[in-house]
Amino acid sequence: QKEVEQNSGPLSVPEGAIASLNCTYSDRGSQSFFWYRQYSGKSPELIMFIYSNGDKEDGRFTAQLNKASQYVSLLIRDSQPSDSATYLCAVNRFDDDTGNQFYFGTGTSLTVIP
Amino acid sequence: EAQVTQNPRYLITVTGKKLTVTCSQNMNHEYMSWYRQDPGLGLRQIYYSMNVEVTDKGDVPEGYKVSRKEKRNFPLILESPSPNQTSLYFCASSPTRNYGYTFGSGTRLTVV
Repeated sequence: QKEVEQNSGPLSVPEGAIASLNCTYSDRGSQSFFWYRQYSGKSPELIMFIYSNGDKEDGRFTAQLNKASQYVSLLIRDSQPSDSATYLCAVNRFDDDTGNQFYFGTGTSLTVIP
Repeated sequence: EAQVTQNPRYLITVTGKKLTVTCSQNMNHEYMSWYRQDPGLGLRQIYYSMNVEVTDKGDVPEGYKVSRKEKRNFPLILESPSPNQTSLYFCASSPTRNYGYTFGSGTRLTVV
């Protein structure tokens, strides 16, 4: 079982719609959760991070965390063609036994259709 | 400009020939890390460093070495590269252990 699972997609949404991206993780001890965007041929860039259950909003982006169900989601409102990219979910656990481990999902490809 | 700089961007080498990929950050970040990205496998952590002279293994450390003699630099060393180390490599840095990483532009390595 992978540490972080994402639907690879592709996910297609029309311009102006809400894109919903989901991620599940296996380690209940995970403490920090991240969403990255990666354009083709480029490096990942951090969009959002969330530590506590609930929603966190930043502009058109909302991250949602549910630790009991072990899932993280990213909502992109008013989707734009420039949002077309692969979105990577990452989780982090740090403690004396495991050190500081980061695990990434394989990403969901999003296409926003004009 | 705050950034993570890694070199070279592209590298083709032969099996067994030692190589080093350099990484430098100008943000005074405590944490640095190396990842490899492969189709279908995603990003996997190779090694990370919490500070000068403090490093630890990630998910896939076999065949790699690292060192952190200065805070800004974190080179990745392949003592005897093999074809299964052909991949896209990213260096990244973070100010704290639970903050997101800032990634470099990547190094595409091919081992023939």
